[in-house]
Amino acid sequence: GAGVSQSPSNKVTEKGKDVELRCDPISGHTALYWYRQSLGQGLEFLIYFQGNSAPDKSGLPSDRFSAERTGGSVSTLTIQRTQQEDSAVYLCASSLWGGVQETQYFGPGTRLLVL
Amino acid sequence: GQQLNQSPQSMFIQEGEDVSMNCTSSSIFNTWLWYKQDPGEGPVLLIALYKAGELTSNGRLTAQFGITRKDSFLNISASIPSDVGIYFCAGHETSGSRLTFGEGTQLTVNP
Repeated sequence: GAGVSQSPSNKVTEKGKDVELRCDPISGHTALYWYRQSLGQGLEFLIYFQGNSAPDKSGLPSDRFSAERTGGSVSTLTIQRTQQEDSAVYLCASSLWGGVQETQYFGPGTRLLVL
Repeated sequence: GQQLNQSPQSMFIQEGEDVSMNCTSSSIFNTWLWYKQDPGEGPVLLIALYKAGELTSNGRLTAQFGITRKDSFLNISASIPSDVGIYFCAGHETSGSRLTFGEGTQLTVNP
């Protein structure tokens, strides 16, 4: 596709349920990032994938959060046993190689509301 | 983790006015970036700065990478209604790819 796509665009779930958020990066981009944006806040880094290297998971807030990237393309962020404080916009970004001088292109985000 | 201090939090200006916003950090950053986010969209890169002291323009936008590497500012000249949105500073604190973001400046432009 032309840009980064994410699905679903909105997700409402009940506390305690698991959710899966999907990201399709720009074709050919080897680097993929997940960020979280709470209401009125800046973006908070969650996890970074680059090619076949081990992902940088240093931003994941708890062991309820996990992510995988299959085939070096699509990524899924999973939140288990969701809590109300997980409510936020989850943004995915991709770049060509993950270099610091490359532009990270963001998707439109998934708006998660945990009731 | 490291946070960027961005100010002001919000601005209400008249069309045609100039705008200035800035970010500071307590530690050195290797890059400074400025993004704009429209409602319901992801952030879009406006300007990227890679060297201390660098001053870069993109149309009506001008940004500078502070000489101490701990601050950056963004100026918007002759604002127009479509400048409305949230502006974020961001940067790379280390050689890694993760970005650290400021909390954003909400800009409102009255026609």
